[in-house]
Amino acid sequence: EAGVVQSPRYKIIEKKQPVAFWCNPISGHNTLYWYLQNLGQGPELLIRYENEEAVDDSQLPKDRFSAERLKGVDSTLKIQPAELGDSAVYLCASSLNGGDGNEQFFGPGTRLTVL
Amino acid sequence: DAKTTQPPSMDCAEGRAANLPCNHSTISGNEYVYWYRQIHSQGPQYIIHGLKNNETNEMASLIITEDRKSSTLILPHATLRDTAVYYCIVPRFGNEKLTFGTGTRLTIIP
Repeated sequence: EAGVVQSPRYKIIEKKQPVAFWCNPISGHNTLYWYLQNLGQGPELLIRYENEEAVDDSQLPKDRFSAERLKGVDSTLKIQPAELGDSAVYLCASSLNGGDGNEQFFGPGTRLTVL
Repeated sequence: DAKTTQPPSMDCAEGRAANLPCNHSTISGNEYVYWYRQIHSQGPQYIIHGLKNNETNEMASLIITEDRKSSTLILPHATLRDTAVYYCIVPRFGNEKLTFGTGTRLTIIP
């Protein structure tokens, strides 16, 4: 069974440029998560989807970040415009649903470097 | 989430049992304890979770004290591939929202 797929694995852009990350969750998983991980820190939740609905986006900086999960399957996270402080690893995870006992499966992440 | 406290780093000899402690003194009665780990350059990986009883799976054992204020993750026969950052998490709203903290960096020594 394929795991969570993310692309690209690495991205280098100049500040003020837009960037997008793509995630394909495990087949059949209804819940999808985007996390941000700064160097030396644990991942921090940005947004959580239940199917196509964003049910928790309280930590998403909405002035420059946006996300979508059309058709409740794969998802895209966008930053426009990127800032130097956005350099980090962006992780996508999925779970069967959001309840207890439903472990989250993580992708390898996209490492973003903003110059 | 209930606050968790973990040592920042630990070493363990290869082949020995690795015992990783976690304090969660503010845990409430219906909150689970989850453990994840993150190997370098990979996404986090679920290990185990529990509520009151001790739990065991193919990866590890989880020992939760009777008062539930602390727990220990046990890797029974550590290998070099177990070198990773281990996160103890007590999410308030089930598995929906995980707060990872900084975890324990476990290094397995050959």
